[in-house]
Amino acid sequence: AQKITQTQPGMFVQEKEAVTLDCTYDTSDPSYGLFWYKQPSSGEMIFLIYQGSYDQQNATEGRYSLNFQKARKSANLVISASQLGDSAMYFCAMRESFTGGGNKLTFGTGTQLKVEL
Amino acid sequence: DGGITQSPKYLFRKEGQNVTLSCEQNLNHDAMYWYRQDPGQGLRLIYYSQIVNDFQKGDIAEGYSVSREKKESFPLTVTSAQKNPTAFYLCASSIGRLVTDTQYFGPGTRLTVL
Repeated sequence: AQKITQTQPGMFVQEKEAVTLDCTYDTSDPSYGLFWYKQPSSGEMIFLIYQGSYDQQNATEGRYSLNFQKARKSANLVISASQLGDSAMYFCAMRESFTGGGNKLTFGTGTQLKVEL
Repeated sequence: DGGITQSPKYLFRKEGQNVTLSCEQNLNHDAMYWYRQDPGQGLRLIYYSQIVNDFQKGDIAEGYSVSREKKESFPLTVTSAQKNPTAFYLCASSIGRLVTDTQYFGPGTRLTVL
């Protein structure tokens, strides 16, 4: 089974609207971290937001928030008030506790977001 | 400014040649990583290092080698044994290896085999 699943290959959103990018994950590890990264066309991976498995509240960072539903194993990214500069590829990733073979980020296949005027 | 630098930005290699990709960080991070990204895909881990003089294979280490002689530097060599090396290579670092430790990425090197 895929550890990280992003089911939306592409999304369009109007400028100033909010958009939700979906991410579901699969792990039996009780301790894990969930991360969202933005990759513009230049290629650099830019860290956006983090959610820990034991965190009681949803993470927020400026216009980014994470809708964390632990029982459903979902960690959707919400971008409020979209801007043209938000057009990019977005990756969801998970880091599980170190077990000797871990210590890595497992990435989804990404969602290409296009913000339109 | 603290950050991660990778060089070169673009690299062209002839078949049968080894090439080395540079990765330097001045964040004082202990852990460093190399990932490979193919078109339309997420990143896959090649090698990682938690401390100086120690490194471990990731999911796709065949055809690659690394060294970690200094805390700041984690170069990746793509050898002639790597069957399909054309890809985008990203280096990352984190303060440690906990699940809470965010990995920060460099700008990447795009390798093309001619």
